[in-house]
Amino acid sequence: GNSVTQMEGPVTLSEEAFLTINCTYTATGYPSLFWYVQYPGEGLQLLLKATKADDKGSNKGFEATYRKETTSFHLEKGSVQVSDSAVYFCALSKMNFGNEKLTFGTGTRLTIIP
Amino acid sequence: EAEVAQSPRYKITEKSQAVAFWCDPISGHATLYWYRQILGQGPELLVQFQDESVVDDSQLPKDRFSAERLKGVDSTLKIQPAELGDSAMYLCASSFQETQYFGPGTRLLVL
Repeated sequence: GNSVTQMEGPVTLSEEAFLTINCTYTATGYPSLFWYVQYPGEGLQLLLKATKADDKGSNKGFEATYRKETTSFHLEKGSVQVSDSAVYFCALSKMNFGNEKLTFGTGTRLTIIP
Repeated sequence: EAEVAQSPRYKITEKSQAVAFWCDPISGHATLYWYRQILGQGPELLVQFQDESVVDDSQLPKDRFSAERLKGVDSTLKIQPAELGDSAMYLCASSFQETQYFGPGTRLLVL
């Protein structure tokens, strides 16, 4: 079946540090890949997505590239801010008998210290 | 920017009571999802609707949970009776072109 494996947290970084959160997936065919962010007490917000191999999703300084050869979709940001502190979820979407299914990773808690 | 609406945002109830959550998806989104998210974990799908029809409720505890989307627009998720283990965040999402958009969630605490 489909699965997503994320880097275990929590991750703590200093402000302006470089961020990488690793994500790898297992799926047949060509899933779409997503990163969602969840701030404390809130729902999930779509951060970025990529729908085919070699696509790069980007938003708010975050980037992730769909790498089919390594089945990865690692999240990166060059200089993190305190406001980036949140839980980040990697997910894949695959059509199953005409219905779209989203499979989530377990989430990575990120804390940025000033 | 259109958003998924959910209410209430917070609900405290006693075990054995009934609770209901409401969701209004983004206009025009035919597919609607209810998820449960236990603290520290990722969301787990409870039920998926396509218009007014249930297309997947395999993970819905049907002895106590029910969901409906009578006119294919807004939806209600009900728990009766609530149990202590139901304390969680309940998230609604709607989708367009393989992308799901989530509401702010309802945080349920069962005492």
